[in-house]
Amino acid sequence: DQQVKQNSPSLSVQEGRISILNCDYTNSMFDYFLWYKKYPAEGPTFLISISSIKDKNEDGRFTVFLNKSAKHLSLHIVPSQPGDSAVYFCAASVGGFQKLVFGTGTRLLVSP
Amino acid sequence: GAGVSQSPSNKVTEKGKDVELRCDPISGHTALYWYRQRLGQGLEFLIYFQGNSAPDKSGLPSDRFSAERTGESVSTLTIQRTQQEDSAVYLCASSQGQGGQPQHFGDGTRLSIL
Repeated sequence: DQQVKQNSPSLSVQEGRISILNCDYTNSMFDYFLWYKKYPAEGPTFLISISSIKDKNEDGRFTVFLNKSAKHLSLHIVPSQPGDSAVYFCAASVGGFQKLVFGTGTRLLVSP
Repeated sequence: GAGVSQSPSNKVTEKGKDVELRCDPISGHTALYWYRQRLGQGLEFLIYFQGNSAPDKSGLPSDRFSAERTGESVSTLTIQRTQQEDSAVYLCASSQGQGGQPQHFGDGTRLSIL
């Protein structure tokens, strides 16, 4: 049972344009959501998070949107840069940042 | 270093052997986590240590898997009688406090069972 789903395995975007990565979840108890970025042979790096009391959180070029009624969140990267090329994982948890449940990831390729 | 350190970075072993993986968390981080990432899949929670509390072992896939942590420092994940399906990248993460801060990950140990 996949509680966190990233249905797009890959996404290609041109440099300077917006990248939108999507994530759906099924467990209505999730109240914390995070995005991690992962380069090959490295561990995931925390990008941005949002709690269920908010519907938007912004940090520089990265914005996460949460739609609780649709059980959907998205990560927007504007403007996209070639260095953003990586695998992006969505994760969710209940009651804090413990025991994260991860999606399968979306590979983002930003071309110059 | 300042980050989470894992060793070895790669481990190849024969089916049936025992393996031990090590994690050095960030100094001062009271919480430590182990995850597993199989090829093409997301990270799968295995076990969680928080200070001196009993660990949350709810993610361990079988009794062949065990983990220990010495105080608030080093942790070892042991897999006994390895099977081919144990092949994966094993990732360790640590965080401050009791779930109020995001987890910081090490680079993982790539385990290959022949």
